[in-house]
Amino acid sequence: DSGVTQTPKHLITATGQRVTLRCSPRSGDLSVYWYQQSLDQGLQFLIQYYNGEERAKGNILERFSAQQFPDLHSELNLSSLELGDSALYFCASSAQLGDEQYFGPGTRLTVT
Amino acid sequence: AQSVSQHNHHVILSEAASLELGCNYSYGGTVNLFWYVQYPGQHLQLLLKYFSGDPLVKGIKGFEAEFIKSKFSFNLRKPSVQWSDTAEYFCAVIPSGTYKYIFGTGTRLKVLA
Repeated sequence: DSGVTQTPKHLITATGQRVTLRCSPRSGDLSVYWYQQSLDQGLQFLIQYYNGEERAKGNILERFSAQQFPDLHSELNLSSLELGDSALYFCASSAQLGDEQYFGPGTRLTVT
Repeated sequence: AQSVSQHNHHVILSEAASLELGCNYSYGGTVNLFWYVQYPGQHLQLLLKYFSGDPLVKGIKGFEAEFIKSKFSFNLRKPSVQWSDTAEYFCAVIPSGTYKYIFGTGTRLKVLA
């Protein structure tokens, strides 16, 4: 157990819908990262927050957004979902920038 | 653009064989380097990391990696693999002074019993 929690574990929804994925970092970790993992694209970095502020952006679509709240948990919002958004979404946290990341168990999103 | 290359996408080995997985990165400055492992159906876990000091780093489960700065490489090694090492292995780099982790595309290792 890494100490990073993600909910829900599984999510099945229809195209065009909007979902919210939630992540709670390890106690004391200020940095939260979001990744998308699919069979054809591998592990793709989406976005990173540090103590509530966005610090780095990767291959995140405009239909996706995220935020980190004062209690340091983070939410990833995916809207206008397409079939190709079906993937595993991982959250990770680290204590400081540049430290190793601790990954959560992931949320498996299936868009039908 | 900064990138991490893992040239071996799929590797199949028999138990007790030696393993070396390649990782090269493109960044001229100081970096922190990591190897993560993802066992089937599980999340990524840290195998080992290099920040500074001895370029030969020992990690968990008998894995080690060597940082060769002149070659921009951080190859992962294990002298004798086990069936339980079947997993996907990811190399990751974070250039100093940046906030963005860069992951390689991963290498899927299958160890035959």
